[in-house]
Amino acid sequence: EAGVAQSPRYKIIEKRQSVAFWCNPISGHATLYWYQQILGQGPKLLIQFQNNGVVDDSQLPKDRFSAERLKGVDSTLKIQPAKLEDSAVYLCASSLEGSGGRRTTQYFGAGTRLSVL
Amino acid sequence: QKEVEQDPGPLSVPEGAIVSLNCTYSNSAFQYFMWYRQYSRKGPELLMYTYSSGNKEDGRFTAQVDKSSKYISLFIRDSQPSDSATYLCAMNKGSNYKLTFGKGTLLTVNP
Repeated sequence: EAGVAQSPRYKIIEKRQSVAFWCNPISGHATLYWYQQILGQGPKLLIQFQNNGVVDDSQLPKDRFSAERLKGVDSTLKIQPAKLEDSAVYLCASSLEGSGGRRTTQYFGAGTRLSVL
Repeated sequence: QKEVEQDPGPLSVPEGAIVSLNCTYSNSAFQYFMWYRQYSRKGPELLMYTYSSGNKEDGRFTAQVDKSSKYISLFIRDSQPSDSATYLCAMNKGSNYKLTFGKGTLLTVNP
């Protein structure tokens, strides 16, 4: 079974530029998550999709971050314009369902490491 | 006060040692408790999950939950150099899907 695919693996941009990340979840997984992991911190949920719909985006800085999930499969996360404090690893995860328990194990991709200069 | 507190370490032990990793939490609504392992430049992978208070064992790993004290632990027996990684505790409320993670503890097992 293929895992969660993310691209690019690394990205370096200057502040005020825009950037986009792509995620392809595990086939058949209805729920998709984007996390931000700042160096030395645990992952923080930015947005959660259930199929096409947004379940939770309470911690997404909506003035600069946007995300979409096309046809309930792939997803993109965009930052525009980027700030220095956006430097982090952006992790995508997917799960079969979205409630607690084994059936909802979240499988993570390797992440995109973003450096904003 | 953060919802989940985890000592970031770093923790360095000799091969074969017993390792104890811990997290405390403040929100009594948390129902599911997980431990993730994250190797350098990789995404987290689920190691253990528990639902209720008590112990759960899987090979060399034992997860322990004490809801009355709001305290969870992960024990690693006979630690190996391949166990060197960051260990993240995570928990959620069940009906609320969001996982809240600790900061992670960096563990190094020396041969």
